[in-house]
Amino acid sequence: DTAVSQTPKYLVTQMGNDKSIKCEQNLGHDTMYWYKQDSKKFLKIMFSYNNKELIINETVPNRFSPKSPDKAHLNLHINSLELGDSAVYFCASRPRQGQRSNTEAFFGQGTRLTVV
Amino acid sequence: DAKTTQPPSMDCAEGRAANLPCNHSTISGNEYVYWYRQIHSQGPQYIIHGLKNNETNEMASLIITEDRKSSTLILPHATLRDTAVYYCCQTGANNLFFGTGTRLTVIP
Repeated sequence: DTAVSQTPKYLVTQMGNDKSIKCEQNLGHDTMYWYKQDSKKFLKIMFSYNNKELIINETVPNRFSPKSPDKAHLNLHINSLELGDSAVYFCASRPRQGQRSNTEAFFGQGTRLTVV
Repeated sequence: DAKTTQPPSMDCAEGRAANLPCNHSTISGNEYVYWYRQIHSQGPQYIIHGLKNNETNEMASLIITEDRKSSTLILPHATLRDTAVYYCCQTGANNLFFGTGTRLTVIP
């Protein structure tokens, strides 16, 4: 069974459209993340959710809206897509950290978004 | 901007040790150093992590300087399958910040 799964794997869409990427983890983790990886391979954190609550929003445009219906899911909805949104988006999950941030994060296989 | 800095690329001969450096001069006392690698465009894969002490597991060793401002990931006997981008990260309670990454090429 895949620990962290994302759908779709590839997404090609036109500028101005609205699209969603889904993420599910079956590890029982409390914390989930979305990352954006640009063409230069830099992995930038976008959002962090802890037990369905937003913890970190790293100055992401408000066209990006994460939604967590339960702690196993963190979906990413993007409105009015722009050419610059083209990237690979990774979802990840991690156990609750408590006072020690000493547990690993597990990543999905990524969603390659191409805006044309 | 990345919180950690790494050389953009390195080569290593197959069978030799690969030593990948990382600077994390702004790391705070409760933040760990993590290393991940990414093969092609797959999801990042965990390698090892540490706080103050050196660490070793079946994949690699991690050497952290006493002042914790830098660390080195050591792959003791690099194989062709270790060719990947290696990321040094620093992490707190709810975040996991990736560095710029080092593209390691293992040469036959």
